[in-house]
Amino acid sequence: EAQVTQNPRYLITVTGKKLTVTCSQNMNHEYMSWYRQDPGLGLRQIYYSMNVEVTDKGDVPEGYKVSRKEKRNFPLILESPSPNQTSLYFCASSLAGTANYGYTFGSGTRLTVV
Amino acid sequence: KNEVEQSPQNLTAQEGEFITINCSYSVGISALHWLQQHPGGGIVSLFMLSSGKKKHGRLIATINIQEKHSSLHITASHPRDSAVYICAVPSSGNTPLVFGKGTRLSVIA
Repeated sequence: EAQVTQNPRYLITVTGKKLTVTCSQNMNHEYMSWYRQDPGLGLRQIYYSMNVEVTDKGDVPEGYKVSRKEKRNFPLILESPSPNQTSLYFCASSLAGTANYGYTFGSGTRLTVV
Repeated sequence: KNEVEQSPQNLTAQEGEFITINCSYSVGISALHWLQQHPGGGIVSLFMLSSGKKKHGRLIATINIQEKHSSLHITASHPRDSAVYICAVPSSGNTPLVFGKGTRLSVIA
């Protein structure tokens, strides 16, 4: 089944403790992206990758890191999480990342930083 | 950068009603996406359209490229249609998507 797999689904952590949210897709998509979703603000892009070893900042990249060492994986790293990073996170992939191709989303990761 | 406006923000309907959700954007686009997010659930793609109209079951999406406007219609609404509906367009030209803030729909039996 074609899918984007995110892990974990839920995570509670403490301020400053490094964490990684994994994202993997099995569709050989070139484009992958991370978003955060907050009440009243909608989906905002954190980072995206148009291909292996190519990553770019989105609208809200501060406090996050990503890497794209292989096509299928695009982990999101929070080196020193803070409470304002409490949010619902989604990973997505697309064949090419342009509007003419459909996007597939992961199931989401609800992160709470205390 | 494209600005996306959705209306209404919240919508409550009785089962069976015809529902319309609107999306306007500021910069010309190659295609527009409609997405659905159920409470506590993930996000699924409903439509991707660049002109005219598309239909899938009780859902119909239309787009007017000249007016920079799209509508999502739900006919004979049902409580299982309760979800957040999100419109998305490219930031500019044919670049990755930016998203509207969503329309929260509640359909009451």
